[in-house]
Amino acid sequence: SAVISQKPSRDICQRGTSLTIQCQVDSQVTMMFWYRQQPGQSLTLIATANQGSEATYESGFVIDKFPISRPNLTFSTLTVSNMSPEDSSIYLCSVEERLAGGPYNEQFFGPGTRLTVL
Amino acid sequence: AQSVAQPEDQVNVAEGNPLTVKCTYSVSGNPYLFWYVQYPNRGLQFLLKYITGDNLVKGSYGFEAEFNKSQTSFHLKKPSALVSDSALYFCAVRDDNFNKFYFGSGTKLNVKP
Repeated sequence: SAVISQKPSRDICQRGTSLTIQCQVDSQVTMMFWYRQQPGQSLTLIATANQGSEATYESGFVIDKFPISRPNLTFSTLTVSNMSPEDSSIYLCSVEERLAGGPYNEQFFGPGTRLTVL
Repeated sequence: AQSVAQPEDQVNVAEGNPLTVKCTYSVSGNPYLFWYVQYPNRGLQFLLKYITGDNLVKGSYGFEAEFNKSQTSFHLKKPSALVSDSALYFCAVRDDNFNKFYFGSGTKLNVKP
């Protein structure tokens, strides 16, 4: 199964600044996803990032606020721009992978980046 | 539209007792159902999934889940709970048409010694 790492694991940022979160996968994957998990809540999909094309954003999320890069099949970044305290969340990177011999895709998650905005 | 409901915010059980974490779903096509666990300060870990076949699915750490089509449920179960099972559990359904996962609100499981 894919092994996913994220940097940073946590950060405390000032209002109005931006933070870029990196996601690295140990294998080539077509689809990568970025989720947000606000305190005490479930996961919400921010966007889907495919290599070679612009990210597809879910309702309520826009590229200006959450620009995403996907330069190759093993790496992606999510930037949280012009941060406010409401952006304090855990941000999770996720990938889909079809395991050998399996008919369906599996989804794997990174450890998350815990962001606190003051 | 696909959706998942976890009716309990929290479940408390004593160590050694059986546990059940409830999940119901709504899908327009074939249900692809999953359970994930999240330990404090950790990402999500896959527990088990139902795609097709036997209604009783066995997964990691002794967990199992029963798919019930008539009740549109996919409850997570374990015969004997451990203190180390204390974590946040998420039920999810996959929308194959759009390659998306929809997650339930999560259930916090507390296993007391």
